Amino acid sequence: AQSVTQPDIHITVSEGASLELRCNYSYGATPYLFWYVQSPGQGLQLLLKYFSGDTLVQGIKGFEAEFKRSQSSFNLRKPSVHWSDAAEYFCAVGDAGGTSYGKLTFGQGTILTVHP
Amino acid sequence: DAGVTQSPTHLIKTRGQHVTLRCSPISGHKSVSWYQQVLGQGPQFIFQYYEKEERGRGNFPDRFSARQFPNYSSELNVNALLLGDSALYLCASSFSLRAQIQYFGAGTRLSVL
Repeated sequence: AQSVTQPDIHITVSEGASLELRCNYSYGATPYLFWYVQSPGQGLQLLLKYFSGDTLVQGIKGFEAEFKRSQSSFNLRKPSVHWSDAAEYFCAVGDAGGTSYGKLTFGQGTILTVHP
Repeated sequence: DAGVTQSPTHLIKTRGQHVTLRCSPISGHKSVSWYQQVLGQGPQFIFQYYEKEERGRGNFPDRFSARQFPNYSSELNVNALLLGDSALYLCASSFSLRAQIQYFGAGTRLSVL
């Protein structure tokens, strides 16, 4: 069964500092990987996705993520954090080869706090 | 274009009652999935519907059911509510069954007292 682990429940950074959010996945084949962001009272917004090809993917709002098959990781990065990036971030893996194509398996989330 | 819309926004029910949540997908999207997000956790997959048929089910009891209508909108029904059903219920739509990119609504916050 597929699974996602986000080891950091809460991360605090200063505005302007760099950011890396960790994500490890378990999946039998090449996974479809996603990062979503959720602001309080909001639904999930897709930041970026990896399906195949270039292992470094660019997303919206200046975010990027790198797929490392050897480490089963898909870490999210941003070189300079803005106060508006404070939110909860979810890593997810898609069921590419199974019967539930619409099934996303999410990690527990990482809450990002940004200090001025 | 309108995104995924869900109604109601908030709902308060008591134990044992029944609830119906509604979702309208993005125009042109034919697949709808439902997720439950308990406070402090990531969303958990409940159902996927495509062309009015159930195409996937998560590990939820039979008290949870759903359906999809000819206009691709969907309802999630939960019977015999338990305190543990209190959560944010998210609906996501995608263009087709195999389309991996899902677009989420803002959710319905259900509180069971």
